[in-house]
Amino acid sequence: QKEVEQDPGPLSVPEGAIVSLNCTYSNSAFQYFMWYRQYSRKGPELLMYTYSSGNKEDGRFTAQVDKSSKYISLFIRDSQPSDSATYLCAMSDGSARQLTFGSGTQLTVLP
Amino acid sequence: NAGVTQTPKFRVLKTGQSMTLLCAQDMNHEYMYWYRQDPGMGLRLIHYSVGEGTTAKGEVPDGYNVSRLKKQNFLLGLESAAPSQTSVYFCASSFGGGGNGELFFGEGSRLTVL
Repeated sequence: QKEVEQDPGPLSVPEGAIVSLNCTYSNSAFQYFMWYRQYSRKGPELLMYTYSSGNKEDGRFTAQVDKSSKYISLFIRDSQPSDSATYLCAMSDGSARQLTFGSGTQLTVLP
Repeated sequence: NAGVTQTPKFRVLKTGQSMTLLCAQDMNHEYMYWYRQDPGMGLRLIHYSVGEGTTAKGEVPDGYNVSRLKKQNFLLGLESAAPSQTSVYFCASSFGGGGNGELFFGEGSRLTVL
C-alpha cells in the first residue's frame, strides 16, 4: 500500500464548476501538507501549504486537512480553463528531508 | 531570475551509456533534490543534499550517483543507463528542508533509454 493515495483522474469539469481533489495517507506522523500544481511539461509549483489540521483559503482555492481521518482536500471555486493542470498532494512529518508525493490528479476545465 | 535550471532538457541514450544531468540554482538554497516522475507513480526522491559537499540517498537511489561540489550545483549521474531509467527527472531546491519549506522545481529533463 502506498503511503499517500491520490485518485489519478482524469477529471474533466465545465468552467465555473467547483472542483474537489483529495488524498488519503497512512502515516500519522505527517503534519505538513501541501498541494503542488504542475502544468504540462513544466515543473511542479507550490499552490497551498497547511500545517496540521484545519482549513486555509487563498482566493479561489481552499485546502482542508482532517488528521483524524488522514484525509486532505483541495477545493477550487469558479474553476477556469487556466486551472487545467495536474495537482499533486505532498506531505511530510517535518523531521524528514523530503516530501512524500501523491501520484497526481489530472484536471481539465472546459470553456 | 532563473530559479532552478536543468540541462539537458531532452536526451536519448542507448543501454549501457552514461550521462550526467546538471542542476543549477541561483537562490542560495541549502537543500537540493533529484526526483524522477513516472506515470502513476508520482514524484520519487532519488538523492538529496542538505548542503555543499553532502549527499544522501532517497527512495530510489539504485543506478544513480550525485555530487554537490558547489552550493549552487547538484549533478545526477547514470553510470550504465537501463531502459527502466526512462523517465522525467526533476531537480528541486529549498531554503529549509522540504518538510516545512517550499520546493522550487526546474522544468524537467526527459530521458529515454533505448
